[in-house]
Amino acid sequence: EVQLVESGGGLVQPGGSLRLSCAASGFTFSSYAMSWVRQAPGKGLEWVSAITSSVVSTYYPDSVKGRFTISRDNSKNTLYLQMNSLRAEDTAVYYCAKGPVAGTSYWYFDLWGRGTLVTVSS
Amino acid sequence: EIVMTQSPATLSLSPGERATLSCRASQSVSSYLVWYQQKPGQAPRLLIYDASNRATGIPARFSGSGSGTDFTLTISSLEPEDFAVYYCQQRSNWPLTFGGGTKVEIK
Repeated sequence: EVQLVESGGGLVQPGGSLRLSCAASGFTFSSYAMSWVRQAPGKGLEWVSAITSSVVSTYYPDSVKGRFTISRDNSKNTLYLQMNSLRAEDTAVYYCAKGPVAGTSYWYFDLWGRGTLVTVSS
Repeated sequence: EIVMTQSPATLSLSPGERATLSCRASQSVSSYLVWYQQKPGQAPRLLIYDASNRATGIPARFSGSGSGTDFTLTISSLEPEDFAVYYCQQRSNWPLTFGGGTKVEIK
């Protein structure tokens, strides 16, 4: 079955760190660009990071640049998001999302995980 | 940053009716516009990519149109399972940005 499964969410204090993981299965993970997208409670979608299939390039919006780092281990079929200096406004469900076409960097998402909740609070 | 504006925020319709959702970009995104559907407690689902191309398995009642800055998602005849929130996303420029969503609710 083609799927993405996120893990690593939880409660963290402001200023703290957390690393999210996304385990991919059912497709050739190493061939696809991947991203993280978040959704604050009751709010819309916000893209937070992207990485090309071969790890050549990574991308971030200004809201997380310098605090979040996306990475991948193609040997383990796993995507990561290292989140540092967390703020209350980072509270959200974090989704892992897959690009649609192998070997390309088309930045939209044809497969999403179920998400993992990150809560930043003291 | 390209700002994506969706309207209306909420659309109240009955099953069988036609739904027309709008997405406007603050600058041209060419045809690099994507539509997703999200139901409560679920991840988003890809509906339409590059303005008018239905994703795999998406019923023909869903169609997309537009280019440049103005885009439309049309659901020709609403089925009970279509009541959800719909988001547009531009993939033309970094950062990738989403619209605020349109909720299609049962009237």
